[in-house]
Amino acid sequence: GQNIDQPTEMTATEGAIVQINCTYQTSGFNGLFWYQQHAGEAPTFLSYNVLDGLEEKGRFSSFLSRSKGYSYLLLKELQMKDSASYLCAVRDNYGQNFVFGPGTRLSVLP
Amino acid sequence: DTEVTQTPKHLVMGMTNKKSLKCEQHMGHRAMYWYKQKAKKPPELMFVYSYEKLSINESVPSRFSPECPNSSLLNLHLHALQPEDSALYLCASSQTGVGINQPQHFGDGTRLSIL
Repeated sequence: GQNIDQPTEMTATEGAIVQINCTYQTSGFNGLFWYQQHAGEAPTFLSYNVLDGLEEKGRFSSFLSRSKGYSYLLLKELQMKDSASYLCAVRDNYGQNFVFGPGTRLSVLP
Repeated sequence: DTEVTQTPKHLVMGMTNKKSLKCEQHMGHRAMYWYKQKAKKPPELMFVYSYEKLSINESVPSRFSPECPNSSLLNLHLHALQPEDSALYLCASSQTGVGINQPQHFGDGTRLSIL
């Protein structure tokens, strides 16, 4: 079966750092992807990990531990426009299926 | 603007109508997807096409009928929908194959309302 878990909601202050966790138990694994989705808009790709470790892209970083079935997205120097839902998705072994987690709604306050 | 184009952006239809949603991409991706997304929920996979063949059908009711006329186009034909089918319908595409770690690219979606 497929099970991906994320916190439902998080709140942080402008300029701060926030870490959004994702745990997964899936029948196969071929990469973990993070997407940002603003209300009423399409998801946009942020970052992916296929090997253990940290991937950094500007203000966003993502970490993966395959043995623990765990990933996190780190957002630095938060801006008001970062208020959105953040979705983690696992790609299965056959490469065709992306299973999405429930998403974390992040609110950035002034 | 996204590289995956969906039309129409909004659609209102009655339960007896027949309509189609369209999706187009020119990135050379050979996997295309339809998702349904309700408010404050993650995208829910409906169908996956790989090399123009249906490879995944997540037990979607027959009132939704997908079609992939060629490698760039994906349609979703709608007939006799129910009010609970009102949602945002997202199309996505990606490269395919094991070991290819490329993300999905999403269109802006069609917001569907069933009266």
